[in-house]
Amino acid sequence: AQSVAQPEDQVNVAEGNPLTVKCTYSVSGNPYLFWYVQYPNRGLQFLLKYITGDNLVKGSYGFEAEFNKSQTSFHLKKPSALVSDSALYFCAVRYRPYNQGGKLIFGQGTELSVKP
Amino acid sequence: GAVVSQHPSRVICKSGTSVKIECRSLDFQATTMFWYRQFPKQSLMLMATSNEGSKATYEQGVEKDKFLINHASLTLSTLTVTSAHPEDSSFYICSARDITGGAGYTFGSGTRLTVV
Repeated sequence: AQSVAQPEDQVNVAEGNPLTVKCTYSVSGNPYLFWYVQYPNRGLQFLLKYITGDNLVKGSYGFEAEFNKSQTSFHLKKPSALVSDSALYFCAVRYRPYNQGGKLIFGQGTELSVKP
Repeated sequence: GAVVSQHPSRVICKSGTSVKIECRSLDFQATTMFWYRQFPKQSLMLMATSNEGSKATYEQGVEKDKFLINHASLTLSTLTVTSAHPEDSSFYICSARDITGGAGYTFGSGTRLTVV
């Protein structure tokens, strides 16, 4: 079965420090991986995705993620955290390509808290 | 970029009444839309996949007669919560597939439903 796991419910970092939000996946076939951010009472905003190509994906707001096939991971990173990065982060996998339908399966979410 | 408008953002209704939530793709055609339910600080749970001009596909455990989905046009999908009860109170989010956009999936801003 297709699944996504975010092992940390919460991540706390100090402003200016690097941050990592972890994600591991289990899919059959090639994974299509996504990261989204959610602010309180809002929908999800797209950060970045991995479909194919370079394992290091750069996205919005200075975020990047590294696809590691051997470890089945897709951790989200940022070199220098901002207080405004504090939000709920979701990793997701699509287990079918577009032309065969494409549901997103979400991880349980990780709450990122960046303190001044 | 692609925008999905979801309305209303908040609604309070009495037990036993029905509530309709609209999801519109503003600048693209969405043949497929998705409806999610989210409990506080939890992940998004896919309820159903809405396909324009055909019946929705519901996930296991989701009551079709309670959560009516209509996707009558390429830009509009609606979710109607029928005979609402307090346990239906939740945050509902729609998403549309945008095959022309970089993100692939665009999310509405969500609807906070409170049943009293």
